[in-house]
Amino acid sequence: TQLLEQSPQFLSIQEGENLTVYCNSSSVFSSLQWYRQEPGEGPVLLVTVVTGGEVKKLKRLTFQFGDARKDSSLHITAAQPGDTGLYLCAPQGDYKLSFGAGTTVTVRA
Amino acid sequence: DTGVSQNPRHKITKRGQNVTFRCDPISEHNRLYWYRQTLGQGPEFLTYFQNEAQLEKSRLLSDRFSAERPKGSFSTLEIQRTEQGDSAMYLCASSLEGYGYTFGSGTRLTVV
Repeated sequence: TQLLEQSPQFLSIQEGENLTVYCNSSSVFSSLQWYRQEPGEGPVLLVTVVTGGEVKKLKRLTFQFGDARKDSSLHITAAQPGDTGLYLCAPQGDYKLSFGAGTTVTVRA
Repeated sequence: DTGVSQNPRHKITKRGQNVTFRCDPISEHNRLYWYRQTLGQGPEFLTYFQNEAQLEKSRLLSDRFSAERPKGSFSTLEIQRTEQGDSAMYLCASSLEGYGYTFGSGTRLTVV
């Protein structure tokens, strides 16, 4: 069973600050997806990382996949209130996603 | 196509009643998934269909839970004899051969 840990569990920052959230596993990921979920809504796919050492950028969001493909991070530069939400990582298996518990990010105006 | 649609958005039911939720996936997607999410947790996989075939259902939480996708299009998730512990957000997602995962907005179930 793959153990998936996301940290921190909660993060509250002021608008304009930077933040990083982490996703770690005891096993190697074949691929990993990051999602953002707003209250009362379903998760929305942000990015899929596949290759060890890969870095992907999506505007102010930077995603890194560890060289050993056992960890990943999401860095947000100059956070805005619209970045508020639950950030979830999910390794993709043969037919399903297995989500971590997520990091709840609150960006205060 | 406006994405994955779930109905109802909210359902309040008395303990012991049966409830049914509907999911309409993106029309081009052949796979449909059901997940459950409780407060403070990520979504938990329940079951999935490829076209009309239910290929994995061992994660359905008990025999009170069942899902159908009769014509390979929309799907329903039924919970019989609801219990307070069934209160959660039920999410549906669809994909094309495991790519392009798209979630619906979910159905929030409250059992009183």
